Amino acid sequence: DAKTTQPNSMESNEEEPVHLPCNHSTISGTDYIHWYRQLPSQGPEYVIHGLTSNVNNRMASLAIAEDRKSSTLILHRATLRDAAVYYCIPDPSGNTPLVFGKGTRLSVIA
Amino acid sequence: NAGVMQNPRHLVRRRGQEARLRCSPMKGHSHVYWYRQLPEEGLKFMVYLQKENIIDESGMPKERFSAEFPKEGPSILRIQQVVRGDSAAYFCASSPLGQGLVDTQYFGPGTRLTVL
Repeated sequence: DAKTTQPNSMESNEEEPVHLPCNHSTISGTDYIHWYRQLPSQGPEYVIHGLTSNVNNRMASLAIAEDRKSSTLILHRATLRDAAVYYCIPDPSGNTPLVFGKGTRLSVIA
Repeated sequence: NAGVMQNPRHLVRRRGQEARLRCSPMKGHSHVYWYRQLPEEGLKFMVYLQKENIIDESGMPKERFSAEFPKEGPSILRIQQVVRGDSAAYFCASSPLGQGLVDTQYFGPGTRLTVL
């Protein structure tokens, strides 16, 4: 399994953009980069995934470095509801048992 | 389409009792995963099942823990003779596709087990 490095915590003001980085320098060529988040007292929730190209969906954008050794999850306008622990998970499909690291705890200030 | 359902949401057991945790996957999903989250720790994979088959149980403790996903009905995670160290949140996830096909896992709200 590829090792990931994420900041332990980050803070953002409400309505501001947030860039959550993840280093995955040992990622294999066939691994997708999946992002999940876990809101307080809830189960994890899928956010986005990508392979090489940048990806957008209604929740976030994912920017993937050209060498694929790092990626950045972008929340365009943070809301209080976005306060959660965010996990980046390299995985070949997303259908194998996911390996969750410690993630980044995002705090959003009103 | 109802999401992944888990029950009970909270379960209290005394040491030595049995705990049975249930997970109903999303409609049309035939793949179920169980994860455990100890207090102040990350989620750890326990077991991956398809209908009537255990695909990967590499994360399951060797003793007292078992899991099943019968042809009909929910997936069950069973913990026999619970100990205080079993106190944790247990999450179930489901997906519609098997390994090798890119998809996401949909998580339930979890069962919080407290062992007195």
